[in-house]
Amino acid sequence: SQQGEEDPQALSIQEGENATMNCSYKTSINNLQWYRQNSGRGLVHLILIRSNEREKHSGRLRVTLDTSKKSSSLLITASRAADTASYFCATDARTDSWGKLQFGAGTQVVVTP
Amino acid sequence: NAGVTQTPKFQVLKTGQSMTLQCAQDMNHEYMSWYRQDPGMGLRLIHYSVGAGITDQGEVPNGYNVSRSTTEDFPLRLLSAAPSQTSVYFCASSSPSTGAGEKLFFGSGTQLSVL
Repeated sequence: SQQGEEDPQALSIQEGENATMNCSYKTSINNLQWYRQNSGRGLVHLILIRSNEREKHSGRLRVTLDTSKKSSSLLITASRAADTASYFCATDARTDSWGKLQFGAGTQVVVTP
Repeated sequence: NAGVTQTPKFQVLKTGQSMTLQCAQDMNHEYMSWYRQDPGMGLRLIHYSVGAGITDQGEVPNGYNVSRSTTEDFPLRLLSAAPSQTSVYFCASSSPSTGAGEKLFFGSGTQLSVL
């Protein structure tokens, strides 16, 4: 069963706009991670936020976590055509479960020039 | 470093055939795992290993077998391929004992079709 559910399933924006996608999960977590997947490639880690953190930044990425609502959001600011990819959230429910992440179905983002 | 290397990139099997998907990592990571990715379903964990000689089942282990004789290699065996195993398979590694922490490093995937 999937732990994370991303919303929306697909997002189409123009270069320079911001892209926001959300992730909801079902059970308590140790941390939540976001990954990017370019077409035909493997997943690449973007950012990790722990259960005791509320917000984290990395370059043009901003992640928030609301454990009371069991949800997270990923914001990509000033998007570029190179940001076109699928984005997945993944949750880690236990401190000893590295490598046993549960992934959502992903948000497909298309950035047009 | 090459990171996580998967072979082959593409494979077509007939129902009932067996094969092994190879995965190797050169980062000395303790943890390795196999996921399958199906359209609209994200990634699902098949099998998992915390070190040489230690493996564990994930969410969808049926029809697959793994072993971990070395830190570097974690092959996934399909015992008798079925059309339901048509998928893209990803190997990943991680190392909680290093600065990489809990994040996963993924290979580029193996696209498998079972006819």
